[in-house]
Amino acid sequence: NAGVTQTPKFQVLKTGQSMTLQCAQDMNHNSMYWYRQDPGMGLRLIYYSASEGTTDKGEVPNGYNVSRLNKREFSLRLESAAPSQTSVYFCASRGTANTEAFFGQGTRLTVV
Amino acid sequence: DAKTTQPPSMDCAEGRAANLPCNHSTISGNEYVYWYRQIHSQGPQYIIHGLKNNETNEMASLIITEDRKSSTLILPHATLRDTAVYYCIVNRSGGSNYKLTFGKGTLLTVNP
Repeated sequence: NAGVTQTPKFQVLKTGQSMTLQCAQDMNHNSMYWYRQDPGMGLRLIYYSASEGTTDKGEVPNGYNVSRLNKREFSLRLESAAPSQTSVYFCASRGTANTEAFFGQGTRLTVV
Repeated sequence: DAKTTQPPSMDCAEGRAANLPCNHSTISGNEYVYWYRQIHSQGPQYIIHGLKNNETNEMASLIITEDRKSSTLILPHATLRDTAVYYCIVNRSGGSNYKLTFGKGTLLTVNP
């Protein structure tokens, strides 16, 4: 039972490069989320997907795009990475709006 | 969703009860109180949630005041492994509200 799996775990990018962070869950959850966490800060919501086929902006969506590929997978894309996007990225999923969320172990991204 | 207020940090002696407060004075009738914790830089972990009755599980107890404007998470016998950031979240249930946002939480340090 893997839960929420994020890949890669670590990544270093040069400014201007693009990349996609992958997230997959095996709990048949409807909703999925992407957060970023900067040092000493709480989690900030980037984008979320209430259900397959829908996505919505969170608190800090600028510079990111997302794709809900199917019910299992929710990817986060950085089209042109910037040093300000250096952060730890967490993916989460939950079944319904009043159940608990499950989180992945994070992707540590450094943009130089 | 209602905003929550938590102290930035607290200390607790190992073996003693840790009582973490949360203020959510603008909570509405259909909003649940959730608690998560984040150990070091791992993904957040669900602890407990409740609507208006007190709740207990194997990890903790949740005490919600009668007016629901505040709550307390109780770790009955804190251990060193309970050192973490604890997040209190208020989230409306049902409907189309799937957005899930976190504040800065309380850093609980359990001392030997």
